[in-house]
Amino acid sequence: DGGITQSPKYLFRKEGQNVTLSCEQNLNHDAMYWYRQDPGQGLRLIYYSQIVNDFQKGDIAEGYSVSREKKESFPLTVTSAQKNPTAFYLCASSTREGMVYFGPGTRLTVT
Amino acid sequence: SQQGEEDPQALSIQEGENATMNCSYKTSINNLQWYRQNSGRGLVHLILIRSNEREKHSGRLRVTLDTSKKSSSLLITASRAADTASYFCATDTRNTPLVFGKGTRLSVIA
Repeated sequence: DGGITQSPKYLFRKEGQNVTLSCEQNLNHDAMYWYRQDPGQGLRLIYYSQIVNDFQKGDIAEGYSVSREKKESFPLTVTSAQKNPTAFYLCASSTREGMVYFGPGTRLTVT
Repeated sequence: SQQGEEDPQALSIQEGENATMNCSYKTSINNLQWYRQNSGRGLVHLILIRSNEREKHSGRLRVTLDTSKKSSSLLITASRAADTASYFCATDTRNTPLVFGKGTRLSVIA
């Protein structure tokens, strides 16, 4: 899982609550990403950031928000506006050459 | 957005056999990468092949790329039970994030 940490590994929330997933990297990578994975599916891009204080929406950004105040950190907030938040969330960062390193993931369950 | 599509969706083989997975994509790419994911874990990078390369090897892995057919293949030789995982291809163009396919689930039976 390289130098990317995600916490916690499992997270449970009640419907209607916002929740923030942590992602930290010590690889000195400029670019960071959040992907969502549903059972038996591939990864879908939520948000990405290519540099501090800048981020872009991915394919499924609705109901999510991010911040990139520090190079090492890229937290993802799952808001109550996200209709189907239960999923496996993967954070990643990449080298300038495009090699992507993933964290271990956070499994979020909303009931 | 462009996407890699892996084929087959699932593959079951005996230990010692070779496993071949294919990936097709839609538009021109900068490079193509293969990743492995064990159940419930993050993805692990296996190999990156650039658009001007045709073949690359890493240990028991062999990746080919045919840009004219917009396809790639991943060959795992002499498979082991520990190779059981999902394998994803991912493509990117210059300055765009990786786009992943849905993966191939490989089961290697001892």
